Parts: sequence; structure tokens; C-alpha cells
Amino acid sequence: DTEVTQTPKHLVMGMTNKKSLKCEQHMGHRAMYWYKQKAKKPPELMFVYSYEKLSINESVPSRFSPECPNSSLLNLHLHALQPEDSALYLCASSQDQLGRREQFFGPGTRLTVL
Amino acid sequence: SQKIEQNSEALNIQEGKTATLTCNYTNYSPAYLQWYRQDPGRGPVFLLLIRENEKEKRKERLKVTFDTTLKQSLFHITASQPADSATYLCALQKKGAGSYQLTFGKGTKLSVIP
Repeated sequence: DTEVTQTPKHLVMGMTNKKSLKCEQHMGHRAMYWYKQKAKKPPELMFVYSYEKLSINESVPSRFSPECPNSSLLNLHLHALQPEDSALYLCASSQDQLGRREQFFGPGTRLTVL
Repeated sequence: SQKIEQNSEALNIQEGKTATLTCNYTNYSPAYLQWYRQDPGRGPVFLLLIRENEKEKRKERLKVTFDTTLKQSLFHITASQPADSATYLCALQKKGAGSYQLTFGKGTKLSVIP
């Protein structure tokens, strides 16, 4: 299984809602990532987990809260988002916990904040 | 400041010809350089990785070169097909904060015309 799955595919939420994005991989990868991608822009790194520990937070606002319950799962909890947070949120994983190898991306969650 | 430039936002090419995409970088010393393909609304898909001490890598119809003196990578698709139409992202990796983080260029949208 060389797939990274993400749910939901689409999410529409109001600015006062709380929601969560989920990501799962069964490749035994020990590094997992969240990226944000706006239209016609490249993916931008948000968080890196290595061995289920948060190793990088790219100065992301606290309204985004990541969680790694186990080595296969990665969540992104959303609260009090702004319309400018609307984007494609991508999860990725890599075999090498240092991230030297290729990354496998999920299909993304298209988030719209009203 | 660090910059990754993919010179063409869009490239149109006739089917059967070789497509050549360029990635230039400044103020950067990447350890690895990767190329990804991204289709609309989907996550990037890994294509090739090349290390700083490698000059060239090939995979089927794909070839990537890496010139650390010129600070440039070229990505070639030979015998291009309409199915090769997509956005191609160059991504550089250098070690920072304990892991190798990917930083993406803006991408080149390739259209292969039948």
C-alpha cells in the first residue's frame, strides 16, 4: 500500500466552527507533514512530525493545531479560521525521518471558510 | 533571500517533442533536489530525486540534471504525450531544524498538444 489517504475531500466551515482533517498512511513512514496550498501557488510547509513528535512548526497560527495519535495517523484540528485560510491542505509522509527521501502526498482536503 | 525560480509559468509543446523545464535557485545550498508532478486539485506525485553530488538521473522518458555551479536543474520529458500535461514542481531540500525540509518552486504548467 503506497497510498496516503485524506478525509474529508471537501470541507466548508464557518469562522466559529471546529473541525478536523485526517490523514492516514500504512507504509511504515515515520515522518509526516502538513502543507497548505493556495490556488496557483506551491505547497507551503506547515508542520513536520518525526516519530510522532512535532519537530517543525513553520510559525503557523494557533488556530491550526496538529496531532499525531500514532505512527499511521495525522490530524489537523481547525478552530476559528479566517476566510484567507481557504486552501488545499495536503498531507504527506516519507520513509526517512530526516526527510531525505521522496514524499508521498495525499489527494488533499479542499477547505472553504465562509 | 533564498529564491527558487521555475522560469516558465507555462510551456506548450507539440506531442512527440522533448519538453525541457528549468529550475534555478539563489542563496541556497540544497543537499537534494526533487521534481514532482501535480494535476489540478490533486497532491503532488514524486518523479525524481537527485543528490548534490550527482549530475544526472534518468527514469524511463524522464531525465533530470543538477548543476550546483550554475545553481540550476533541468527536467526533460522525451517523446512527450498529451498525458504528460500537468504542473511540474521543482523542490529543494536542505537540512534545517533536524530534518530536510522541502521548499517548492512555483511550478511550470506543461501542455502537450496533440
